[in-house]
Amino acid sequence: QVQLVESGGGVVQPGRSLRLSCAASGFTFSTYAMHWIRQTPGKRLEWLAVISGNSEFYTDHIDSVKGRFTISRDNSKNTLYLQMNSLRTEDTAVYFCARDRGGSYRGWFDPWGQGTLVTVSS
Amino acid sequence: DIVMTQSPDSLAVSLGERATFNCKSSQSVLYSSNNKNYLAWYQQKPGQPPKLLIYWASTRESGVPDRFRGSGSGTDFTLTISRLQAEDVAVYYCQQYYSSPQTFGQGTKLEIK
Repeated sequence: QVQLVESGGGVVQPGRSLRLSCAASGFTFSTYAMHWIRQTPGKRLEWLAVISGNSEFYTDHIDSVKGRFTISRDNSKNTLYLQMNSLRTEDTAVYFCARDRGGSYRGWFDPWGQGTLVTVSS
Repeated sequence: DIVMTQSPDSLAVSLGERATFNCKSSQSVLYSSNNKNYLAWYQQKPGQPPKLLIYWASTRESGVPDRFRGSGSGTDFTLTISRLQAEDVAVYYCQQYYSSPQTFGQGTKLEIK
C-alpha cells in the first residue's frame, strides 16, 4: 500500500541545521509532486514546501522558510528531503510529508506520513 | 494569503446525532473556469496524521463512509457527519488549494456529548 515514512527529527539548538527524509513506497514516486507540512504544538497545520515529480523539479516554499529550508528529492531512492538551516524555536513542530493529489503542485494531500518531531531548544 | 476560519472551535454531539462543521475562506476558492471549489477536509485522530475525507468541497474520498458530506461554494463551506459514531471523535480541518500557500483552518475538535 501507499506509505510515507519520515525520519531525521530530533532536538537541535537554535541556529543549527537538520535534514528530514521521507521514504515513499507503494506508488510511482517520480510521477507525484510531494509536500512538507508541519503541525505546531498548538495543532495548527502549516504548508511549507512543494516539489514537482519530474526532472524539472519545480519547487515552492512558504515565505516564512524561504532562504532557510530547501525541499529536494531523489527519485532513484524514492525519497523526499527537507534541509532546514538556521533553525528557530518557532520551527518546533511535527513535520509531515504528503503526496499531492491535485496534480498541479497545489492540491490536496493524501496520504500523509506519520510525522517526525523537531524540537528547537537551547 | 487566504485565511481559513473554522467554527466552532469545539463541538460536542450525542451519538447518532448530526455534527456540523463550518469553514470560511477570506476570499473565494471557486475557480470560475472549471466551476470547482478548491477545498478539502481532513480528519485527525489523536496520535495520527490527518486523513483526507473530502476534496473539491464535496467529493468523498474512496473508503470514507457516506455519513460524511461536504457542501458549500465560494467562501462558505460545511462538513456534516450524520449519525455520529464514537470513532468520529477527532479534530477536523479544512484546507484551500486555490492559491499558494495552501492554507488550513485552525481545526474543530469533535467530542461525544
